[in-house]
Amino acid sequence: AQSVTQLDSQVPVFEEAPVELRCNYSSSVSVYLFWYVQYPNQGLQLLLKYLSGSTLVKGINGFEAEFNKSQTSFHLRKPSVHISDTAEYFCAVSDNGNKLVFGAGTILRVKS
Amino acid sequence: DAGVTQSPTHLIKTRGQQVTLRCSPKSGHDTVSWYQQALGQGPQFIFQYYEEEERQRGNFPDRFSGHQYPNYSSELNVNALLLGDSALYLCASSRQGAVGQPQHFGDGTRLSIL
Repeated sequence: AQSVTQLDSQVPVFEEAPVELRCNYSSSVSVYLFWYVQYPNQGLQLLLKYLSGSTLVKGINGFEAEFNKSQTSFHLRKPSVHISDTAEYFCAVSDNGNKLVFGAGTILRVKS
Repeated sequence: DAGVTQSPTHLIKTRGQQVTLRCSPKSGHDTVSWYQQALGQGPQFIFQYYEEEERQRGNFPDRFSGHQYPNYSSELNVNALLLGDSALYLCASSRQGAVGQPQHFGDGTRLSIL
């Protein structure tokens, strides 16, 4: 069975500061990894995905993530956050690209 | 290009009632998955439909059932509603065989049980 652990439930950060949202996963097979963002009263929007190849993945809105197989991690980073990045972020894993297993989410609060 | 659309946006029901939620997938997608997102939690997989059949199911009771139509749209039915069924129900669509390609989500239906 697969599982995802998002290590921080909330991350407060000042505007223009860097941020890292941590995600660890467990799986007995090769996986696909995703980060989604959810703004209030909306569905999930894909930020980025790792399928294979380069372990550094770039996504939308300046976000990037690094796949680390030995540490079974897929941490999300942004070098300089904006107020508009305030949202909830979900890490997800899939073994076949169909059923997604999500973490509990991390709320990113950007302060001015 | 229309994305995933869900209806209704909000719904209020009482315990014991039945509810039907609807989803139209993104153009070009033939697979629909349903997720339940309780307050403060990540989405939980309910089931997935492809070719009008349930292909995968998560850990949800038989009170949760679904249907997919020939035009790929889908319904989620929940019978004998419980207070714990209050949640945001998300529909996601994808294309079968496009391994690893992301699912596209709708904005969800917020179901409140009184």
